[in-house]
Amino acid sequence: QQQVKQSPQSLIVQKGGISIINCAYENTAFDYFPWYQQFPGKGPALLIAIRPDVSEKKEGRFTISFNKSAKQFSLHIMDSQPGDSATYFCAASSVETSGSRLTFGEGTQLTVNP
Amino acid sequence: NAGVTQTPKFRVLKTGQSMTLLCAQDMNHEYMYWYRQDPGMGLRLIHYSVGEGTTAKGEVPDGYNVSRLKKQNFLLGLESAAPSQTSVYFCASSYGDSNEQFFGPGTRLTVL
Repeated sequence: QQQVKQSPQSLIVQKGGISIINCAYENTAFDYFPWYQQFPGKGPALLIAIRPDVSEKKEGRFTISFNKSAKQFSLHIMDSQPGDSATYFCAASSVETSGSRLTFGEGTQLTVNP
Repeated sequence: NAGVTQTPKFRVLKTGQSMTLLCAQDMNHEYMYWYRQDPGMGLRLIHYSVGEGTTAKGEVPDGYNVSRLKKQNFLLGLESAAPSQTSVYFCASSYGDSNEQFFGPGTRLTVL
């Protein structure tokens, strides 16, 4: 049972464009929503994260938008660059969950064309 | 700091063979995790540990065993490998009260 659904599976954007990746979750106990970035041959690395007490968090060109009532959150990459080409995973966890376990989405392969 | 390291980087097994994947971290993290990554399925948690000497099952534990004899090491064992266990395996670690997980570079395992 996939508790975090991610879309699209793949995304192609032109340099300078906006990349948008969406995630939806089912478990209302989730209270931490990170995005991980993974380059080919590497392990995922934390990009940005949000907690449900805010609706938006911005770090440089990366923004998370969070909609608690719809149980959805999204990653926006402004002014996308070829160096942003990677696989992006959304995830979620709950403070009630032993071991701070993360439930990951299926991943989105982003390609930014020069 | 080396962060999280994994050994080996690549391995090919025949069906029925056994092997152990080693994860080591030098950040004094309490929590450690083993994931498998398959195309279109994201990362799925196999087993995890919240401290030395403790282990717990994750989402897909069948066919795997783990041990955490030392705080810095987390071992993943396959007793009798099956083709369905062909995957990329990632180890991760985190502080006990932090949600951020730090990942290793992965082990690509092929079971023929």
